[in-house]
Amino acid sequence: GDSVTQMEGPVTLSEEAFLTINCTYTATGYPSLFWYVQYPGEGLQLLLKATKADDKGSNKGFEATYRKETTSFHLEKGSVQVSDSAVYFCALKAGGEGGATNKLIFGTGTLLAVQP
Amino acid sequence: GAGVSQTPSNKVTEKGKYVELRCDPISGHTALYWYRQSLGQGPEFLIYFQGTGAADDSGLPNDRFFAVRPEGSVSTLKIQRTERGDSAVYLCASSLTFGSAEQFFGPGTRLTVL
Repeated sequence: GDSVTQMEGPVTLSEEAFLTINCTYTATGYPSLFWYVQYPGEGLQLLLKATKADDKGSNKGFEATYRKETTSFHLEKGSVQVSDSAVYFCALKAGGEGGATNKLIFGTGTLLAVQP
Repeated sequence: GAGVSQTPSNKVTEKGKYVELRCDPISGHTALYWYRQSLGQGPEFLIYFQGTGAADDSGLPNDRFFAVRPEGSVSTLKIQRTERGDSAVYLCASSLTFGSAEQFFGPGTRLTVL
């Protein structure tokens, strides 16, 4: 079945460091891919998305590119801030945009801790 | 505007009891989803409603779990004969339409079964 694998945390970085959180997926067809973020004490929020191969999603300085050839959607940010400390979840929706299923399949989450 | 709300925020119950968890989606959102998040894991899909009907309930773990959305807005997740393994955070999400990419999540209900 469809699945998402993301790197285990915690990831601890100093402020202004470069961030990469790896995410790979297994899916039939052409899924849509997402990164969600969960800040301490808050609910899940959509960070960015990409709906087809080679699309780049971006938001708040974060980027991820949908790579069909490597089935990956790695999250990157050039310079992290303390306020980026959160749990990051990679997710897919099978079948692509408007597909027959609307359920999201999540990875296990990666805790990012940014130190000043 | 108001986001997705869930009540209660915390629920502690004893093994074998019945519980109801409520979700109030964003006004006008026709699609509603329930997920369950165990400690250290990502959310796992339970059930999805389009309007009043359950379009996909393939994630419900067994027949002790049931959900309704009688008027196409508020939804209630019902768990009978709770077990300790049911302890988790239950998340509700809504989206504007079927096929809409963005699901908006509520803060969750933390269920603890003693």
